[in-house]
Amino acid sequence: DTAVSQTPKYLVTQMGNDKSIKCEQNLGHDTMYWYKQDSKKFLKIMFSYNNKELIINETVPNRFSPKSPDKAHLNLHINSLELGDSAVYFCASSQVVGQGTGANVLTFGAGSRLTVL
Amino acid sequence: AQSVTQLDSQVPVFEEAPVELRCNYSSSVSVYLFWYVQYPNQGLQLLLKYLSGSTLVKGINGFEAEFNKSQTSFHLRKPSVHISDTAEYFCAVSERNGANNLFFGTGTRLTVIP
Repeated sequence: DTAVSQTPKYLVTQMGNDKSIKCEQNLGHDTMYWYKQDSKKFLKIMFSYNNKELIINETVPNRFSPKSPDKAHLNLHINSLELGDSAVYFCASSQVVGQGTGANVLTFGAGSRLTVL
Repeated sequence: AQSVTQLDSQVPVFEEAPVELRCNYSSSVSVYLFWYVQYPNQGLQLLLKYLSGSTLVKGINGFEAEFNKSQTSFHLRKPSVHISDTAEYFCAVSERNGANNLFFGTGTRLTVIP
């Protein structure tokens, strides 16, 4: 059973289109994330949800809109796609494993490679 | 705010040789430290973590890391690498009592040469 699954794995689309990436976790975790990995492999957090509530919203264009219908799902919708949106998008979920809210171990999905032409 | 520096973007090493991947961090508060590994075309998975206690932590696949508070380092080591260790390795830090946000380094590409 896949712990964190994302679909689609690959997405090729034209500039200006709208697309969505879906993510589901079956680990019972309360927190879910979206990370963006650019062509140089740099990973940056985009959003974090805890129990369907937005916790972290980094400086991301408002063309990106996350949606969490329940704590097991966190989808990412992107409007008016631009060339610079091409990247691998990773969904993750986490649980706290120690004292302090920062003691989170993340479980990542396999990634969704978005290519904007 | 935290930052993580991985000094080497690429590390080639021969099979069965030892390896050390360097990681330094800066933070004004107490932190937790992690190493994640990313195999080709896969997501990241946890190698090991330092939360508290012994500064030498052991992880999966024979890797270990040592937390050095005075040098603000968390270098990753393995005494003898295998071909299957070829991957991208990411050091990450989170604030002990901050938002549940991991800050990642830029990664080190380990290539094991047969």
